[in-house]
Amino acid sequence: DTGVSQDPRHKITKRGQNVTFRCDPISEHNRLYWYRQTLGQGPEFLTYFQNEAQLEKSRLLSDRFSAERPKGSFSTLEIQRTEQGDSAMYLCASSRGTGEYEQYFGPGTRLTVT
Amino acid sequence: AQKITQTQPGMFVQEKEAVTLDCTYDTSDPSYGLFWYKQPSSGEMIFLIYQGSYDQQNATEGRYSLNFQKARKSANLVISASQLGDSAMYFCAMIPFGRDSSYKLIFGSGTRLLVRP
Repeated sequence: DTGVSQDPRHKITKRGQNVTFRCDPISEHNRLYWYRQTLGQGPEFLTYFQNEAQLEKSRLLSDRFSAERPKGSFSTLEIQRTEQGDSAMYLCASSRGTGEYEQYFGPGTRLTVT
Repeated sequence: AQKITQTQPGMFVQEKEAVTLDCTYDTSDPSYGLFWYKQPSSGEMIFLIYQGSYDQQNATEGRYSLNFQKARKSANLVISASQLGDSAMYFCAMIPFGRDSSYKLIFGSGTRLLVRP
């Protein structure tokens, strides 16, 4: 049984470029979450999928951000026209969703915008 | 407002001793879950322990126990017999189970624990 995986682990990009991150959840988990964590803070919720449906988006998720989970398995998070303020750790988590609420996190993608 | 407060930015503990990390929460939902996660320097969030608001007994998982005091809205983590590998950031988190809940985690700002040999 593999855990949650994320790719890439690190991404350095120039301001204004687009980036895309991928998350592969634990296979039997139907809920998938994206969080953002800046230095010295706890993670903040970005968005949530149940199967392929995106059911909630945080106000933190500006129109430059888009997330998909096309077949209810892996998910992608795209940031368009990156800004220096987007520099953070992007964490993906999944949960079973049927009476079990603990979320299991991937290793994260650390984004640096120069 | 739904909020988690961790008032200890940093803590030291001697190896093999017990340590308590404080957490208070605020929610208007009568049903909720409380969690503790560990984040080593590698960055991955590791689930430690879960307590439901209607659970009668305090949760325990190995050396971890959650001291749940509902009236005080506190959910402190107790680590017994500290080990050097326990040095990490610890986050308290909550999921309010209100109507239309997305079951998203609300995190505190964390406590950095350093275990001294």
